[in-house]
Amino acid sequence: GNSVTQMEGPVTLSEEAFLTINCTYTATGYPSLFWYVQYPGEGLQLLLKATKADDKGSNKGFEATYRKETTSFHLEKGSVQVSDSAVYFCALSGFGTGGGNKLTFGTGTQLKVEL
Amino acid sequence: EAQVTQNPRYLITVTGKKLTVTCSQNMNHEYMSWYRQDPGLGLRQIYYSMNVEVTDKGDVPEGYKVSRKEKRNFPLILESPSPNQTSLYFCASSSGGGSSYEQYFGPGTRLTVT
Repeated sequence: GNSVTQMEGPVTLSEEAFLTINCTYTATGYPSLFWYVQYPGEGLQLLLKATKADDKGSNKGFEATYRKETTSFHLEKGSVQVSDSAVYFCALSGFGTGGGNKLTFGTGTQLKVEL
Repeated sequence: EAQVTQNPRYLITVTGKKLTVTCSQNMNHEYMSWYRQDPGLGLRQIYYSMNVEVTDKGDVPEGYKVSRKEKRNFPLILESPSPNQTSLYFCASSSGGGSSYEQYFGPGTRLTVT
């Protein structure tokens, strides 16, 4: 079945540091890949997505590239801010139980950015 | 404003007392689903619905029921809650059933069953 593995947190960085959160996946076929962000006390928001190999998703300074050869979708940001502190979820969507767009999530990575 | 709403946001109840968590979306989305979020496990799908009167089980459906009588509403029903259903619940909706469609999430319902 489908699965997503992402690095465990918490990840603590100083403001303006470079961020990488690793994400690898296992899936049949050609899934779409997503990063969702959860701010404290809120629901999940889509951060970025990529729907085919070599696509790069980007939003708010965050980027991730769909790498089929390494089955990875690592999240990066060149300079983090305190306001980026949140929990980040890597997810994939593909066919199987739950219809075409059931999301399979990783366990989440908490990011803390300090001044 | 396009949104998914859930009620209540917080609920403490006792084992065996039936409860319903409501979910409503104002985007005319066909696809809706329920997830639960547990530490170290991420989010897991409970049930989903591809349209009115069309529902099916997700990965962890035991102990839950759903209904979809109207397009905008998708309530989650716990007929006899147990402590292992203590969790954070999210409702989500999307405009289509294809894998590339973005899902919109509600703010969550934190349920504690004692």
